[in-house]
Amino acid sequence: GESVGLHLPTLSVQEGDNSIINCAYSNSASDYFIWYKQESGKGPQFIIDIRSNMDKRQGQRVTVLLNKTVKHLSLQIAATQPGDSAVYFCSHSGGYQKVTFGTGTKLQVIP
Amino acid sequence: DVKVTQSSRYLVKRTGEKVFLECVQDMDHENMFWYRQDPGLGLRLIYFSYDVKMKEKGDIPEGYSVSREKKERFSLILESASTNQTSMYLCASSLSRQYNSPLHFGNGTRLTVT
Repeated sequence: GESVGLHLPTLSVQEGDNSIINCAYSNSASDYFIWYKQESGKGPQFIIDIRSNMDKRQGQRVTVLLNKTVKHLSLQIAATQPGDSAVYFCSHSGGYQKVTFGTGTKLQVIP
Repeated sequence: DVKVTQSSRYLVKRTGEKVFLECVQDMDHENMFWYRQDPGLGLRLIYFSYDVKMKEKGDIPEGYSVSREKKERFSLILESASTNQTSMYLCASSLSRQYNSPLHFGNGTRLTVT
């Protein structure tokens, strides 16, 4: 079946530094990719998305990079803040909106 | 903003009980989903629905059923709860089957089956 994997289960970053969270996927037919943030006690929240016709997309302090050749997705968070501490999930979908999630990366921000 | 509301944050049920988990969304989304979230396993899709009275099995439908009688409401039913169904249950909705768009999640129901 499809798989979406994360390279690092836990990432510790000093406050103010940039964070990079990586994700690998296996389905070459996937055309829509999303990053979610899940804070303790809450459901996942949408951060940023990217479609397969793009390789980079920027939001507020966040950038998503897509490398379709190696099936790799990354989330970059600039100037990481304590409020960024959460679990981050990548996901992908193709047709019919069936979304596959990875197991998540926990980001710990060190004050 | 889309709001997805799950009726209970915490539930404790006994083995063999019939359990209903309710979810309501307020943005006229066509798609609705039920996931369970377990440590180390991530989010796993149980059932989803693209329209009223329609349902599709996800990756782990065994032991569950769903009901979608109205567009805004999607219910997950555990016909006979078992201890291995102790988990965090997350409901989500998204815009349309024809257009990939982000999922909007509720804050989850933590179900404990004793």
